[in-house]
Amino acid sequence: KAGVTQTPRYLIKTRGQQVTLSCSPISGHRSVSWYQQTPGQGLQFLFEYFSETQRNKGNFPGRFSGRQFSNSRSEMNVSTLELGDSALYLCASSLVSWGAEAFFGQGTRLTVV
Amino acid sequence: ELKVEQNPLFLSMQEGKNYTIYCNYSTTSDRLYWYRQDPGKSLESLFVLLSNGAVKQEGRLMASLDTKARLSTLHITAAVHDLSATYFCAVDRNNAGNMLTFGGGTRLMVKP
Repeated sequence: KAGVTQTPRYLIKTRGQQVTLSCSPISGHRSVSWYQQTPGQGLQFLFEYFSETQRNKGNFPGRFSGRQFSNSRSEMNVSTLELGDSALYLCASSLVSWGAEAFFGQGTRLTVV
Repeated sequence: ELKVEQNPLFLSMQEGKNYTIYCNYSTTSDRLYWYRQDPGKSLESLFVLLSNGAVKQEGRLMASLDTKARLSTLHITAAVHDLSATYFCAVDRNNAGNMLTFGGGTRLMVKP
């Protein structure tokens, strides 16, 4: 059974650019969550989607957005990149709508220069 | 606002020794998760604790949950070098969807 797949694995962008990250959940999982991991702030929740609807959003600026498609695949977008957006972005998928174990992908390492 | 605190943040121990990592959280929750992260890698699920008094064991690791005290522990028995990693606890707020609040992590180094 395939796990959570994130693409790309590594990305280097310039300040001011925008970036789109992709996440394919485990087959059958309908909930996808995104997290940002940095050395200074640790693991922080970005947003969660279930059945194409954003149900929860963390405390991040509007430059961070996402969406979920009918096949449960999800994308997150960061516009007007800042140096502080450099981080490991992790996607997690869960089987049911709440209280379900989250399985994490390998992450996308974003470096903003 | 839900806060999750782990201690210690860093733990260096000798092989064969026992130790406990603590995870405290600030609001009511019945679900707590422990994850392991190796350097440069993603999060690996270790334990899912879903009720007060839950205890789970896998190899040299044992996790427990006391929802009344808002405390979970991860006990390491007879540590081996392969357990060196960063361990995170995470709390799922009741009825809030799949949205985890993580502790700051405990970096464990087991020396031969």
